[in-house]
Amino acid sequence: QSVLTQPPSVSAAPGQKVTISCSGSSSNIGNNYVSWYQQLPGTAPKLLIYENNKRPSGIPDRFSGSKSGTSATLGITGLQTGDEADYYCGTWDSSLSAGAVFGGGTKLTVL
Amino acid sequence: QLQLQESGPGLVKPSETLSLTCTVSGGSISSSSYYWGWIRQPPGKGLEWIGSIYYSGSTYYNPSLKSRVTISVDTSKNQFSLKLSSVTAADTAVYYCARVSTYYDFWSGYYSKDAFDIWGQGTMVTVSS
Repeated sequence: QSVLTQPPSVSAAPGQKVTISCSGSSSNIGNNYVSWYQQLPGTAPKLLIYENNKRPSGIPDRFSGSKSGTSATLGITGLQTGDEADYYCGTWDSSLSAGAVFGGGTKLTVL
Repeated sequence: QLQLQESGPGLVKPSETLSLTCTVSGGSISSSSYYWGWIRQPPGKGLEWIGSIYYSGSTYYNPSLKSRVTISVDTSKNQFSLKLSSVTAADTAVYYCARVSTYYDFWSGYYSKDAFDIWGQGTMVTVSS
């Protein structure tokens, strides 16, 4: 059972837009920045979004992030077959552990 | 550019200690702007944070693993390491090391942990007799 809640799967056609939600609580998403990671099959996760809505160098602007209260959303526009991957949200928890928490991951299928 | 590489045994016997090392190249592990962390992923499952360390040696552990985990840093070798004791089959996973970026939190006046911005390729560790 992951601390952050994501839908197990989403799907859309090439060229379309998709959003992936991530729900948490006031001790994690509510008071910390959210990041998003893309994990292509058989590879390590890669940072897509940090500080809720910022993109690292090299990440196309088709990827966007937002946060409201205790939830965050990853948006992907102009879907490509190469976007098929698992997507994870992550943040930090303000409890005593001060540790990182992740969502269970969302499998994106580009039909 | 900065790279991280995990190394260690791919097979560990039950009840023994899993030991992994992450070697940082292309940059210094002693940078005050970053923490360093370990994350694992059991086959077919999601990501689980194990713990993080600062170059000074300050550590933060996942409460569910804290009694079995030790993370240490060797700045002279530009490496940090993970030890997980009393392993069982449930510890079978791909283990990743990663760099943790930070940001200045104006409210607290401290630098806070941000995102896992650079990851190693991961190493599969199987616990089996």
